[in-house]
Amino acid sequence: EVQLVQSGAEVKKPGESLKISCKASGYSFSTYWIGWVRQVPGRGLEWMGVINPTDSDTKYSPSFHGQVTISADKSISTIYLQWNSLKASDTAMYFCARTPVAGFDYWGQGTLVIVSS
Amino acid sequence: EIVLTQSPGTLSLSPGERATLSCRASQSLSSSYLAWYQQKPGQAPRLLIYGASRRATGIPDRFSGSESGTDFTLTISRLEPEDFAVYYCQQYDDSPWTFGQGTRVEIK
Repeated sequence: EVQLVQSGAEVKKPGESLKISCKASGYSFSTYWIGWVRQVPGRGLEWMGVINPTDSDTKYSPSFHGQVTISADKSISTIYLQWNSLKASDTAMYFCARTPVAGFDYWGQGTLVIVSS
Repeated sequence: EIVLTQSPGTLSLSPGERATLSCRASQSLSSSYLAWYQQKPGQAPRLLIYGASRRATGIPDRFSGSESGTDFTLTISRLEPEDFAVYYCQQYDDSPWTFGQGTRVEIK
């Protein structure tokens, strides 16, 4: 069974760093790109970027490029989303999702990130 | 960046009725690279349609997708109670793979 299991909710202060994770199982990890999608509470979905776990080739949305870093660790079938300095505006639910380049077919359960002083 | 505009913002219908949701792309998509998702409160989105008209695994046949140029349509032939949710379109033709702003299908 394909599963994407994300790390738990986080509460951080502005300026702090954070790395959240998404662990894949039930399929060959290197076969599919995996992406991150942001959803601000009560708002729509925003595509942040995708990574090819095979070679870590990454595509970012211009809205998020330079603001976050997407990375992968093939040895543990896990991808990451990282911030060096969080802002209040980063408060959102973050989903990882697998893509066979035919939409996102499997999704993680989401990680809620709250940034508040 | 390809902009997707969904309409209407909200659709108020009764169970058993037909729902027609629209998604217009700001430019042509090659190879019909458009997907539709359903999202219910507190849940991750669920893939319904990819390639503009192909149903994802396990999706009931009351859901169908079509395209005409830069206009894409998701049709739910007869609404079931579990179909009341928010629906998003997404293009994966060109990076960034943008989403539409969503259409809420609510019970009338």
